[in-house]
Amino acid sequence: KAGVTQTPRYLIKTRGQQVTLSCSPISGHRSVSWYQQTPGQGLQFLFEYFSETQRNKGNFPGRFSGRQFSNSRSEMNVSTLELGDSALYLCASSLVGGGSDTQYFGPGTRLTVL
Amino acid sequence: QQQVKQSPQSLIVQKGGISIINCAYENTAFDYFPWYQQFPGKGPALLIAIRPDVSEKKEGRFTISFNKSAKQFSLHIMDSQPGDSATYFCAAISGGTSYGKLTFGQGTILTVHP
Repeated sequence: KAGVTQTPRYLIKTRGQQVTLSCSPISGHRSVSWYQQTPGQGLQFLFEYFSETQRNKGNFPGRFSGRQFSNSRSEMNVSTLELGDSALYLCASSLVGGGSDTQYFGPGTRLTVL
Repeated sequence: QQQVKQSPQSLIVQKGGISIINCAYENTAFDYFPWYQQFPGKGPALLIAIRPDVSEKKEGRFTISFNKSAKQFSLHIMDSQPGDSATYFCAAISGGTSYGKLTFGQGTILTVHP
């Protein structure tokens, strides 16, 4: 079974631009969660989608948004990029997003904002 | 109240030794506690997980000990090997409406010397 895939793997953007990251979950998984990983803040939850609906959201500004498609693939968008948005963005998929559902992580997208 | 505190930040162990990583939480609604292992350039991968109604869980060389009254849990890696060198994260999640929202500790960088 193929794992979680994320594209692109690396991105370089400048302040003020916007970016879209893509995540393809494991086949059969309907829940996709997104996390931001930085050396200072660690791993922080952004949001979770299930059946094209956002069910949960972390404490990030509205510049961070996401969506999920009918095939469970998900995208996240960051608008008006700031230097502090430089991070590794990870998505994780699970069967239904329940508490004890194992979350399987992708390799991440490394975003650098200049 | 959502925090999970992890220590130490870094750990150096000789091959064959025991590695111990500790975590503490505050939110009593957490009811599932996974540990993740992350290698450079990879996403986190589930290592082992425990529920609070169990005081200990062992899988191979990896053991989780759980103290519900103290709200603490720890990971023990027996017979540590150089291949165990990675970053380890404890995490917690509550059932109910916390869909997909893992709360992570800050991580421990483990180095096992041959």
